[in-house]
Amino acid sequence: ETGVTQTPRHLVMGMTNKKSLKCEQHLGHNAMYWYKQSAKKPLELMFVYNFKEQTENNSVPSRFSPECPNSSHLFLHLHTLQPEDSALYLCASSSGSTGTQYFGPGTRLLVL
Amino acid sequence: GESVGLHLPTLSVQEGDNSIINCAYSNSASDYFIWYKQESGKGPQFIIDIRSNMDKRQGQRVTVLLNKTVKHLSLQIAATQPGDSAVYFCAENGSGNTGKLIFGQGTTLQVKP
Repeated sequence: ETGVTQTPRHLVMGMTNKKSLKCEQHLGHNAMYWYKQSAKKPLELMFVYNFKEQTENNSVPSRFSPECPNSSHLFLHLHTLQPEDSALYLCASSSGSTGTQYFGPGTRLLVL
Repeated sequence: GESVGLHLPTLSVQEGDNSIINCAYSNSASDYFIWYKQESGKGPQFIIDIRSNMDKRQGQRVTVLLNKTVKHLSLQIAATQPGDSAVYFCAENGSGNTGKLIFGQGTTLQVKP
């Protein structure tokens, strides 16, 4: 285990639903990340938080809303998603913005 | 634009042989490179990293080589085992210290018993 946990591991939602993904890190890191991993595509960085402050938004649609209440927890709030948003959503953390990033197991999301 | 690419999408090797997975990067300003391994149903797992002031770094059964002249990175796995079967990603940090990693598309390593 990497010390980064994600819940739920699997999620099926309709396009009108609202759901949230949760990430928690037990490594004492202060930077946290959301990535999207789609089939046949490289990992896409979505958001970066450093000391609870968002430092990167990689042109992510507003139907994805991140929240970082403290350095150990990161959420991704989802609403009115599209089927093309179906993917594996990975959370990572690092010690500082330039430290090695350690990933959680991901949430497999299916939007119907 | 920035991109990181792997030369082969799939590599098949015999158990016990050595494996070499290659990666080409495009940003000459990158000074930090990482290899990750991703098994089915899991998140990427850190394997080894290297900074641009080095050209070789060794870990347990793995070696990373960096050739800055041709912007090439490779991961060598000695005595490949069935448990090494996974997708391997290289990543670079690009320009600036933003924490933004740029990932390649991945090479699937298949180990034949």
